[in-house]
Amino acid sequence: AQSVAQPEDQVNVAEGNPLTVKCTYSVSGNPYLFWYVQYPNRGLQFLLKYITGDNLVKGSYGFEAEFNKSQTSFHLKKPSALVSDSALYFCAVRDIGRGSTLGRLYFGRGTQLTVWP
Amino acid sequence: SAVISQKPSRDICQRGTSLTIQCQVDSQVTMMFWYRQQPGQSLTLIATANQGSEATYESGFVIDKFPISRPNLTFSTLTVSNMSPEDSSIYLCSVEATRSYNEQFFGPGTRLTVL
Repeated sequence: AQSVAQPEDQVNVAEGNPLTVKCTYSVSGNPYLFWYVQYPNRGLQFLLKYITGDNLVKGSYGFEAEFNKSQTSFHLKKPSALVSDSALYFCAVRDIGRGSTLGRLYFGRGTQLTVWP
Repeated sequence: SAVISQKPSRDICQRGTSLTIQCQVDSQVTMMFWYRQQPGQSLTLIATANQGSEATYESGFVIDKFPISRPNLTFSTLTVSNMSPEDSSIYLCSVEATRSYNEQFFGPGTRLTVL
């Protein structure tokens, strides 16, 4: 079964500093991994994904994530945080099995990122 | 990307009533999903709704409580039946766009409060 863990409920960082939001996963087979962001009273917005290829994936709004197979991690990073990055971030893994479960996403519990001025 | 709208955006309902949430997509999609996000929690998949077949429900969710319709490739509804305060959540629909394989796009959500 697929699962995702986000070990931190909250991450606080000063504006201009680098940020990291952690994610580890457990899958059977090759992982399809995703990061989504949720701003207050908004739906989820896609940030980036890892399917195959380079371990460093670049996404929207200057975010990137590093896939590490040996550590089964997919941490979200940004070199210089902005106050506007403050939001709820979700890591997710896709079910690549067959049949009715194909396509479903398994989400971590979310990490609230707060960037203070 | 796919643009998804949901109606209503929020509602306050009385215990025992039902609410139907609509999800409209600006392009034809094969797979649509309904998720629930309870306060302070992550997203939980309720069911997968594919056009032309009955919805597939996840463990803990049943058709009598959450009936789903998928009449065409751009539209779906989720009904929350016989509501109780425990059903207070944000309900989100999502789609997997044909041209963006493996990317799921989410609607803005419907914030439901049951009194």
